[in-house]
Amino acid sequence: DIQMTQSPSSLSASVGDRVTITCRASQSISSYLNWYQQKPGKAPKLLIYAASSLQSGVPSRFSGSGSGTDFTLTISSLQPEDFATYYCQQSYSTLLFTFGPGTKVDIK
Amino acid sequence: QVQLVQSGAEVKKPGASVKVSCKASGYTFTSYGISWVRQAPGQGLEWMGWISAYNGNTNYAQKLQGRVTMTTDTSTSTAYMELRSLRSDDTAVYYCARDVLVVVAAIGDYYYMDVWGKGTTVTVSS
Repeated sequence: DIQMTQSPSSLSASVGDRVTITCRASQSISSYLNWYQQKPGKAPKLLIYAASSLQSGVPSRFSGSGSGTDFTLTISSLQPEDFATYYCQQSYSTLLFTFGPGTKVDIK
Repeated sequence: QVQLVQSGAEVKKPGASVKVSCKASGYTFTSYGISWVRQAPGQGLEWMGWISAYNGNTNYAQKLQGRVTMTTDTSTSTAYMELRSLRSDDTAVYYCARDVLVVVAAIGDYYYMDVWGKGTTVTVSS
C-alpha cells in the first residue's frame, strides 16, 4: 500500500501569510495527487487535482506543485476562510486511494 | 445542481450491520463512480472503497474486505454502503463522494472526488 505523510501536522499563521504544506508518498505516484480542504463539521472540498490543476471555483491563491514523491500545497495569501484542515490523497493505485493524515491551519 | 444526499444518523450495537444511502441528483448517475470515506471522531479521512455506478464494479480498502459491501440502484440514482459486524471503532461520520475520471491520452487516468455528501454519523455503542 502507498503511505502518505504530511508536514507539518499543524501550523499557526496570520491573515496574509504565505502558507506551504508538504505531502510525501512512500513511492513515486507521478502526479496522481489531490488536495482537499475540510472545515469543522463539514464535508471535505476538492481544491487541487492531478497535483497542480485548480478545481473550478477555487480561488487562485491556492496552488499545487510536485511530482514523484514530494508535493506542496501553497496558499499565497491566507484569508480568514482558509483556516481549516488540509488533506492530500493519492490516486496512483487505481481505485485504491489513501489520504494523508492532514495538516491543520489555525490562527496565530 | 449536482448533489449527494445521505441518509440520517444511525445508532447500532456491536455486531450489528448498518446500511447508509447516498442519493445523487443533477448529473447522469451512471457516468461516474462513488467513493465512500469515513472519519472517526477527531481523526483524519479514511477511504473505504469505490463502486462504479455504470457496471457495479467495486474496490474495497483491504482492512474492510469481508465486512463492507457497496451497491447501487440505478433506477433511483442511489448508492449504498453496508458495513457488517460493527465494532466501537467503526463509530465515524461516513461520506459518499462522486468520483471523476479524467483520461489524459498517453499519460494516464486521473481520479478525484469533486462532490461530497454531508455525511452520516454512525455510532456503535452497547
